[in-house]
Amino acid sequence: ETGVTQSPTHLIKTRGQQVTLRCSSQSGHNTVSWYQQALGQGPQFIFQYYREEENGRGNFPPRFSGLQFPNYSSELNVNALELDDSALYLCASSLKGPNTGELFFGEGSRLTVL
Amino acid sequence: GENVEQHPSTLSVQEGDSAVIKCTYSDSASNYFPWYKQELGKRPQLIIDIRSNVGEKKDQRIAVTLNKTAKHFSLHITETQPEDSAVYFCAPRGYSGGGADGLTFGKGTHLIIQP
Repeated sequence: ETGVTQSPTHLIKTRGQQVTLRCSSQSGHNTVSWYQQALGQGPQFIFQYYREEENGRGNFPPRFSGLQFPNYSSELNVNALELDDSALYLCASSLKGPNTGELFFGEGSRLTVL
Repeated sequence: GENVEQHPSTLSVQEGDSAVIKCTYSDSASNYFPWYKQELGKRPQLIIDIRSNVGEKKDQRIAVTLNKTAKHFSLHITETQPEDSAVYFCAPRGYSGGGADGLTFGKGTHLIIQP
């Protein structure tokens, strides 16, 4: 069974730039969620994708967008980067359904915005 | 949206003693109550979860208790060991009505096991 993998692991950008982060979900999982974890804080829900459509969203502006592909992998795109976007971005896969709950997280992509 | 508070923010216990972390939430429609453990520089991992139709669940040294009336649930770790040192997050799931399974994480409790 393959776990959740994310790339890149680290990256540095400057204000105003755009970034794309990638995630491969765990084998057999059809749902992908993205979370932002600032230093010393708990992860914050950005959005979730199911069947290639956004299925729910947290309190993040539209410059945070995403995609899910037919193989259930996913991308997170952030436009017009701000200093406060510096954080660890976690991808988590799961199975969609009423009795499923566990999220399987990747190791994250650490973004630094200068 | 869901408001989540965890207490304490830091907990230091002697190896072998018990640790209890409490999480309060605001959404009375919440139906799923997990605890995640995150070691330094690692990914969060689920250690135990409970659903709203159950009051307590135990898995070896770890247990979770739920009080839906008071809207809080707690993580109990007995016979603590050095490998229990980590940050623990509660993450109740509210009902968004839109099908999203987004979890609302607390700010975390840093558990330190003193040798």
